[in-house]
Amino acid sequence: QKEVEQDPGPLSVPEGAIVSLNCTYSNSAFQYFMWYRQYSRKGPELLMYTYSSGNKEDGRFTAQVDKSSKYISLFIRDSQPSDSATYLCAMSDQAGTALIFGKGTTLSVSS
Amino acid sequence: DAGVTQSPTHLIKTRGQQVTLRCSPKSGHDTVSWYQQALGQGPQFIFQYYEEEERQRGNFPDRFSGHQYPNYSSELNVNALLLGDSALYLCASSPGQGGNYGYTFGSGTRLTVV
Repeated sequence: QKEVEQDPGPLSVPEGAIVSLNCTYSNSAFQYFMWYRQYSRKGPELLMYTYSSGNKEDGRFTAQVDKSSKYISLFIRDSQPSDSATYLCAMSDQAGTALIFGKGTTLSVSS
Repeated sequence: DAGVTQSPTHLIKTRGQQVTLRCSPKSGHDTVSWYQQALGQGPQFIFQYYEEEERQRGNFPDRFSGHQYPNYSSELNVNALLLGDSALYLCASSPGQGGNYGYTFGSGTRLTVV
């Protein structure tokens, strides 16, 4: 079993839809959780950073962490064609140390 | 404000050769990490440098080595290249080792081994 599991998709939605992206993990020591967006031929771009459990909102994006279930989610409201990218979840057990990434979910938003 | 800068952007090497990739961290960042991203996969941690020392290493063979300079820039060296080393190599920087921040990634160097 991989440490971080993420459904690679692809996921296709119409413009304006609410998108839900998820990751599960096996290491209960993970405390820091991140979501990155990666456009084709580019490096990952940090979207959301969460410590421990709870919710965090930033504009159209909401990140949720449920440590009891070892499950994290990213919600995108009012999705736009510019949101079409690969979304990577990442986590670590200590601040500033190695990130463990999921495989990434490819999202396509059609206008 | 320049972000993380990596060079070169693309590189083609022959099996058995050696390669050096370079990274300049974002201004104000002193910690540099390197990741390998194979096609269709998430990035995998290679190692991290802070204060010119390797602080943490992932599950990569000794063929992978690195260096950090006093100006915080870093190099990744790979010896005896294998076909399986073909990947996107990403450099990520952060402000302080152990700091509670996410990482800023560069656009990567795409290495093709033939």
